[in-house]
Amino acid sequence: RKEVEQDPGPFNVPEGATVAFNCTYSNSASQSFFWYRQDCRKEPKLLMSVYSSGNEDGRFTAQLNRASQYISLLIRDSKLSDSATYLCVVNSSASKIIFGSGTRLSIRP
Amino acid sequence: DAGVTQSPTHLIKTRGQQVTLRCSPKSGHDTVSWYQQALGQGPQFIFQYYEEEERQRGNFPDRFSGHQFPNYSSELNVNALLLGDSALYLCASSTGGEEYFGPGTRLTVT
Repeated sequence: RKEVEQDPGPFNVPEGATVAFNCTYSNSASQSFFWYRQDCRKEPKLLMSVYSSGNEDGRFTAQLNRASQYISLLIRDSKLSDSATYLCVVNSSASKIIFGSGTRLSIRP
Repeated sequence: DAGVTQSPTHLIKTRGQQVTLRCSPKSGHDTVSWYQQALGQGPQFIFQYYEEEERQRGNFPDRFSGHQFPNYSSELNVNALLLGDSALYLCASSTGGEEYFGPGTRLTVT
């Protein structure tokens, strides 16, 4: 079993739709969690950290469920510019950072 | 305020050769991590440097080595290159939390 698993997609949704991704992790001792987005042939860019209480940044909401060992990302009112690959990142122990393989999202007009 | 910078941007090497990639962290960051990203995959953690020492290492062979300098910049060295080492090599810097990535070095081994 991979340490961090994501549905690779692709998710193809119309503009304005709400879309959600999940990411599961295997190490219950994991301490910190992040979502990154990566555009084609570019470097990953930090989208948001994920806190135990959940956090929201505009149209984006991230949640952490420690009991079930997953994190989620919800995108509301999706825009064409949201098309990208979304990477889940888990800090599984002191300084060991694990990326998921990414979920591809394509927003159609 | 400069972000993370990497050099070179592209590199072509032959099997068996050695390569050195360079990274300058974001201003104020003291921790540098290196990742390998193959096409269609997420970045794979190679190792992390802090206070000039390797603090954590992923599942990469000893052919992959690194160094961090007193100014926090870092190098990644790969010896005895294999075709499978062709990838995007990403450097990320942090102060121990959220990481910020450089644009990467695309290495092609022929």
